[in-house]
Amino acid sequence: NAGVMQNPRHLVRRRGQEARLRCSPMKGHSHVYWYRQLPEEGLKFMVYLQKENIIDESGMPKERFSAEFPKEGPSILRIQQVVRGDSAAYFCASSPGTGNQPQHFGDGTRLSIL
Amino acid sequence: QKEVEQNSGPLSVPEGAIASLNCTYSDRGSQSFFWYRQYSGKSPELIMSIYSNGDKEDGRFTAQLNKASQYVSLLIRDSQPSDSATYLCAVNTDYGGSQGNLIFGKGTKLSVKP
Repeated sequence: NAGVMQNPRHLVRRRGQEARLRCSPMKGHSHVYWYRQLPEEGLKFMVYLQKENIIDESGMPKERFSAEFPKEGPSILRIQQVVRGDSAAYFCASSPGTGNQPQHFGDGTRLSIL
Repeated sequence: QKEVEQNSGPLSVPEGAIASLNCTYSDRGSQSFFWYRQYSGKSPELIMSIYSNGDKEDGRFTAQLNKASQYVSLLIRDSQPSDSATYLCAVNTDYGGSQGNLIFGKGTKLSVKP
């Protein structure tokens, strides 16, 4: 499968726990984007990364959320001390470049907070 | 605040008809425009991209862009029940720049009746 790979597909956490979401971009893509989709809401940009660099994190909440895209391995979106309001679908997208390059989405991680 | 507006629908059309989906955006500097299809519980799937004024056709789909009116549309000819989904309009305002995030509308729900 040469598409964007996300795991896990579903993640259940209790309030106060940590959630780690993983994303491997499409082959040949070096740009990774994370979006969040709340129920009945549109997709909201969170963060844009290239290898070892955060390019734009203007959509990330100031606290508890972090992202990385190491030299080796997948991109990780980390949510510390999760709260009920973090329940959402988290989508990763990748593109070969910026600007006018289309972004292709993974299947997403559905995060549920008990 | 950069915004992308879509009529939430639902838009209901009979099978075989033309479905017309509309989108307006607020930032005159927007350069790249995309239409995604999202089935319920699934991830967004890229349908069309358009970058210059006019029409762009791909199979049963035609995207139309009018930058002066800040308006982009998607026409689906010979609509099929399998086209029933939510259609997301997405805009990128930073052509060639370091920011690659897409701004999404909330989507228009399309229902094609057999």
